[in-house]
Amino acid sequence: SQQGEEDPQALSIQEGENATMNCSYKTSINNLQWYRQNSGRGLVHLILIRSNEREKHSGRLRVTLDTSKKSSSLLITASRAADTASYFCATDDTDKLIFGTGTRLQVFP
Amino acid sequence: ETGVTQSPTHLIKTRGQQVTLRCSSQSGHNTVSWYQQALGQGPQFIFQYYREEENGRGNFPPRFSGLQFPNYSSELNVNALELDDSALYLCASSLGGKGYTGELFFGEGSRLTVL
Repeated sequence: SQQGEEDPQALSIQEGENATMNCSYKTSINNLQWYRQNSGRGLVHLILIRSNEREKHSGRLRVTLDTSKKSSSLLITASRAADTASYFCATDDTDKLIFGTGTRLQVFP
Repeated sequence: ETGVTQSPTHLIKTRGQQVTLRCSSQSGHNTVSWYQQALGQGPQFIFQYYREEENGRGNFPPRFSGLQFPNYSSELNVNALELDDSALYLCASSLGGKGYTGELFFGEGSRLTVL
């Protein structure tokens, strides 16, 4: 089963624009992570935010977490064509990560 | 690149056959997890290995089994293949040990097609 649901499922923007994708989950968590996946390849870890944190930054990435609403958002600022990929949120569950369904981001030059 | 290597990268099998997928974890990483990713879906947890023992299992039948070796490398075995087993199989390593749910380092995956 997949706990996280990303929204939107797909997003198309122009280079230079910001991209925002959202993740909702169902149960309490210790941390939430975001991963990126280029087409058909492995996942790359982007950022981890703990349940007692509300916002975290890494380069052009900004992640927020609202545990009361069981939701998180990933903002990519000043997007580039190279940001084209699928983005997944993942929540911890005892001994494993549970991934969402992903947002497919297309950035046009 | 993460340093996690998987083989083979692609393979085709027929229903009822058996398959073995291999994973070498990043240097020093002692924990290996396996995930199945169907087309258009997020990865689904199969199981995790730490100190050569299975530690945690997702909703997969017993025909999915694994091994971890003393050098921390790992194998995923699937018996009696079914069409629905067609997917990208991802291996992920970490330093975290039993029950670790922090950052994972993924390989590029093995894409299995069952005909």
